[in-house]
Amino acid sequence: AQTVTQSQPEMSVQEAETVTLSCTYDTSENNYYLFWYKQPPSRQMILVIRQEAYKQQNATENRFSVNFQKAAKSFSLKISDSQLGDTAMYFCAFIRANTGNQFYFGTGTSLTVIP
Amino acid sequence: EAQVTQNPRYLITVTGKKLTVTCSQNMNHEYMSWYRQDPGLGLRQIYYSMNVEVTDKGDVPEGYKVSRKEKRNFPLILESPSPNQTSLYFCASIRDRGYNEQFFGPGTRLTVL
Repeated sequence: AQTVTQSQPEMSVQEAETVTLSCTYDTSENNYYLFWYKQPPSRQMILVIRQEAYKQQNATENRFSVNFQKAAKSFSLKISDSQLGDTAMYFCAFIRANTGNQFYFGTGTSLTVIP
Repeated sequence: EAQVTQNPRYLITVTGKKLTVTCSQNMNHEYMSWYRQDPGLGLRQIYYSMNVEVTDKGDVPEGYKVSRKEKRNFPLILESPSPNQTSLYFCASIRDRGYNEQFFGPGTRLTVL
């Protein structure tokens, strides 16, 4: 079975600074997808960024980027120029490609952006 | 507007009283799924469905049932709810195995007394 680990239950960052959230995963698969989701106080789950394991290039979405280290099974999220609206719970998730049907989520990191 | 809807949004019930949480999507997505979210545990998948009449168990299916008779609907049924099923529930849909397009419903807060 796949596992996803987020070892930082809580983090904080000053507004306009950069913060990195960690995620590691365990799998024997070679091809899979990784995701970061954001859950603000409204509880709505929002997809932040998606990475395909067979792509070497790290995914980027505006101020959000990932550092994908396949050999180390690490998938960290970097938020640049942090904004108050980035305050939320962040979840890392995994699914196998092609034959994958089940999503596996980490336990989440609660991020607070301090004005 | 593309969306996943869930009803009810909030529900307080008593042990043993059967209930159904509805989920509907208007995007013609094939894949639908139910999750429960508990503090410190993240999201755990209950059931998922790859298409009409195709459903499979996730990590925590005990005490739940689902059905997929139509592509757009994927109700979650608790035949005999118990207090340990008090949780926040999310329905989600995905267009295809590229996982480019994913939508979550707004969540259902369930309390079982």
